[in-house]
Amino acid sequence: ILNVEQSPQSLHVQEGDSTNFTCSFPSSNFYALHWYRWETAKSPEALFVMTLNGDEKKKGRISATLNTKEGYSYLYIKGSQPEDSATYLCAPPPAGGSQGNLIFGKGTKLSVKP
Amino acid sequence: DAGVIQSPRHEVTEMGQEVTLRCKPISGHNSLFWYRQTMMRGLELLIYFNNNVPIDDSGMPEDRFSAKMPNASFSTLKIQPSEPRDSAVYFCASSRFQGAITETQYFGPGTRLLVL
Repeated sequence: ILNVEQSPQSLHVQEGDSTNFTCSFPSSNFYALHWYRWETAKSPEALFVMTLNGDEKKKGRISATLNTKEGYSYLYIKGSQPEDSATYLCAPPPAGGSQGNLIFGKGTKLSVKP
Repeated sequence: DAGVIQSPRHEVTEMGQEVTLRCKPISGHNSLFWYRQTMMRGLELLIYFNNNVPIDDSGMPEDRFSAKMPNASFSTLKIQPSEPRDSAVYFCASSRFQGAITETQYFGPGTRLLVL
């Protein structure tokens, strides 16, 4: 079992604001970290997979960093737009190994007001 | 590709009835996952298969839940008998390579189940 914590639970920002949120996970036996974006009434969609300490990934205005030694990852959104409103989930494989399964955090729900 | 297909999209049933949810993974994907989304617990893994073989069903809530994958292109999740607390959205997801921790999971649209 792996304890995945995401903070904050929810976030309300104005259009144009930049924002960031955190995923915390046990730093021992780290394998990989996935980020997913989940819009209301839709299905989760993959954003990034990160494996190496210091990894930084970018997709448009969204970027993520990874610190495996201290057990956290940050997701940043630059210049938030209403279409960024979604729940952002992080998911590492379970500690001790995995056969492809992931443990999903409860997510950070982002609302961007126009 | 059509993506992961789930049916039905919505199901309303009465307590005690049998419910069967269906999933067709993306062609060529070797792993299939069943999740349940609830307000309290978020997205929780119920069971997953690699190459049609159940690997871990420790997330299945109780014996009323069962899942099968008779072939690479079809899986079912059955609840018998159903109870109101089973009301949730059930997602199926698939990924390409068995055991690869960096493989992306592709989610279906979900089945919204309401048990009255």
